[in-house]
Amino acid sequence: GIQVEQSPPDLILQEGANSTLRCNFSDSVNNLQWFHQNPWGQLINLFYIPSGTKQNGRLSATTVATERYSLLYISSSQTTDSGVYFCAAALTGTASKLTFGTGTRLQVTL
Amino acid sequence: GAVVSQHPSWVICKSGTSVKIECRSLDFQATTMFWYRQFPKQSLMLMATSNEGSKATYEQGVEKDKFLINHASLTLSTLTVTSAHPEDSSFYICSASGMQETQYFGPGTRLLVL
Repeated sequence: GIQVEQSPPDLILQEGANSTLRCNFSDSVNNLQWFHQNPWGQLINLFYIPSGTKQNGRLSATTVATERYSLLYISSSQTTDSGVYFCAAALTGTASKLTFGTGTRLQVTL
Repeated sequence: GAVVSQHPSWVICKSGTSVKIECRSLDFQATTMFWYRQFPKQSLMLMATSNEGSKATYEQGVEKDKFLINHASLTLSTLTVTSAHPEDSSFYICSASGMQETQYFGPGTRLLVL
């Protein structure tokens, strides 16, 4: 099956800093999503982005499908951004059966 | 829109009992629902995929007689952990997708088996 790797595994930022999270995947995908898991475990959809670039407020994401990676940008980080960020991908033709990456644990401090 | 609920959010049970977890899509019709399991500080692992009205498809290594999944309607799927044991203690999360590829996740159910 598809392999999904994320980096860095852990990240500590001061409030106001910017960061880039990376997701590498091993095969062609037709579904790539970014999620934020808050401290209570709830997964929050950030982006559905199998290709291209999208922006939502302080967050933006870019997926370069031909090179098999996706990036999540967080600008002007806030303490509420803390939590674990997952990317998840589904192989082309697998009916959205997502494989989750290893996650990036982000802590934003004052 | 795209809200998914799970019930219960917490359950503690004795070893040997069965536990049922419900997953509902509140404002859309979910043609496909997924069940995941997450251990502390680990990623989510897909357990099974279910389509309304048909049998669930289980991932390799997941015991289908242990984890019974029923997708009786376009808004409800249930996961029953039968004869639960302490090693079944985990965080169980469902997701649902409709006509589009995006999956929307429920808040999860924490199961503790004593």
